[in-house]
Amino acid sequence: QSALTQPPSASGSPGQSVTISCTGTSSDVGGYNYVSWYQQHPGKAPKLMIYEVSKRPSGVPDRFSGSKSGNTASLTVSGLQAEDEADYYCSSYAGSNNFVFGTGTKVTVL
Amino acid sequence: QVQLVESGGGVVQPGRSLRLSCAASGFTFSNYGMHWVRQAPGKGLEWVAVVWYDGINKYYADSVKGRFTISRDNSKNTLYLHMDSLRAEDTAVYYCARALYYDWDYWGQGTLVTVSS
Repeated sequence: QSALTQPPSASGSPGQSVTISCTGTSSDVGGYNYVSWYQQHPGKAPKLMIYEVSKRPSGVPDRFSGSKSGNTASLTVSGLQAEDEADYYCSSYAGSNNFVFGTGTKVTVL
Repeated sequence: QVQLVESGGGVVQPGRSLRLSCAASGFTFSNYGMHWVRQAPGKGLEWVAVVWYDGINKYYADSVKGRFTISRDNSKNTLYLHMDSLRAEDTAVYYCARALYYDWDYWGQGTLVTVSS
């Protein structure tokens, strides 16, 4: 199972928006509505930000939103804040009890 | 509140074995699937294995199949990962994570496994 493709980096100024893409295949991202996004600060555990493509867990700001079109999912962070600077990973169910992560994107707040 | 605490990591020689544990609290452990996910130093996340709520159904990534065994003891609220025939490429921080259907909603702090002679 190959990793999902994410851009290595993304950036924006405070208050701006940044969108991260996550490209897979019809066997993972395109085949299931089980795409999730995780935020990871250095030395910390990942934190769930979006699940099932576009659902937000309790406590996650509504500045974070997710979507999917075909084999590509996206995470948008609106109104960027300093604390949003982190690594972001997508993941997808890939069928037959297999799971795949994205390559990760480092978001920098300028 | 939900807590997952991993233990058992350390330095081990190639070819040797190691068992990781994940102590769960703050939720009904037996109602949830549990996963192990690892992260090599400076690298991305990699799914390792899942054991569903009843402890019977278990699935593994190809990279660890036949070498790693996931298990759980619902009476002790504990998840395990037994790792055999360890290789240098198994060096990573190992996280246990609670399943939210096919996502992960809670993660432990991780335990570092270093495979080196």
